[in-house]
Amino acid sequence: DIVMTQSPDSLAVSLGERATINCKSSQTILYSSNNKNSLAWFQQKPGQAPELLIYWASTRESGVPERFSGSGSGTDFTLTISSLQAEDVAVYYCHQYHSSPHTFGQGTKLEIK
Amino acid sequence: QVQLVQSGSELKKPGASVKVSCKASGYSFTIYAINWVRQAPGQGLEWMGWIDTNTGNPTYAQGFTGRFVFSLDTSLTTAYLQINSLEAEDTAVYYCARNVPYDFWGQGTLVTVSS
Repeated sequence: DIVMTQSPDSLAVSLGERATINCKSSQTILYSSNNKNSLAWFQQKPGQAPELLIYWASTRESGVPERFSGSGSGTDFTLTISSLQAEDVAVYYCHQYHSSPHTFGQGTKLEIK
Repeated sequence: QVQLVQSGSELKKPGASVKVSCKASGYSFTIYAINWVRQAPGQGLEWMGWIDTNTGNPTYAQGFTGRFVFSLDTSLTTAYLQINSLEAEDTAVYYCARNVPYDFWGQGTLVTVSS
C-alpha cells in the first residue's frame, strides 16, 4: 500500500500570511497515461464532508479560490494557501488515487494564530 | 447540478445490519464509479473501496471484506453500503464520493453502534 505522510500535523498561521502543508508518498504516484501525479487535496470543515481543492497535484477544482495552489512531483507534494483567510480554518488531507487501495494522509489541522 | 444525497443517521445494536444509501443526480450515473470512505469519530479519512456503476463489480479495501457489501440500483441511480454484524468499532460517518478525483461527496451518514 502507498503510505501518505503529511507534515505538520497542525499549523497556526496569521491571517493574510502563507500556509504550507506537505505530503510525502511512499512510492511514486505518476500516472503514465498523462504524465501527471495522481494526488488530490481536500479541505474538511467541522461537521462537513470533505471538499476537493486540487487534483492531478496542481489542477485547481472549479470554484476553488486562487489562493489555493498545489505543487510537487515524484513523492513530495505541497498545498499552499497564499494569504490565509478566516474561512480556511479546516483539516486538510492529501490523497493518492494512483493505485488501490487509495490512501489518505493523516490530515493537517490549520488554525489562525 | 451534480448531487450525492445520503440517507439519514442510524442507531443500531451490535450484531445488527445497516444499509446506507447514496442517491446520485445531475449526471449519467453509470459513467462514474462510487467510492466509500469511512471517518471514525475524531479520526481521518479511510478508503473502504469502490463499485463500478457500469458493471456493478465491487472492490473492497483490506479491512472491509466480509461484513461490508457495496451494491447498486441503477434504475434509482443509487449506491448502497450494507454493513452486517455491526460492531462498536463500526461507529463512524460513512461518505460516498464520485469516482476519481472524488469531485462530489455525499453529506455523510452517521452510523452509531451501541447497546
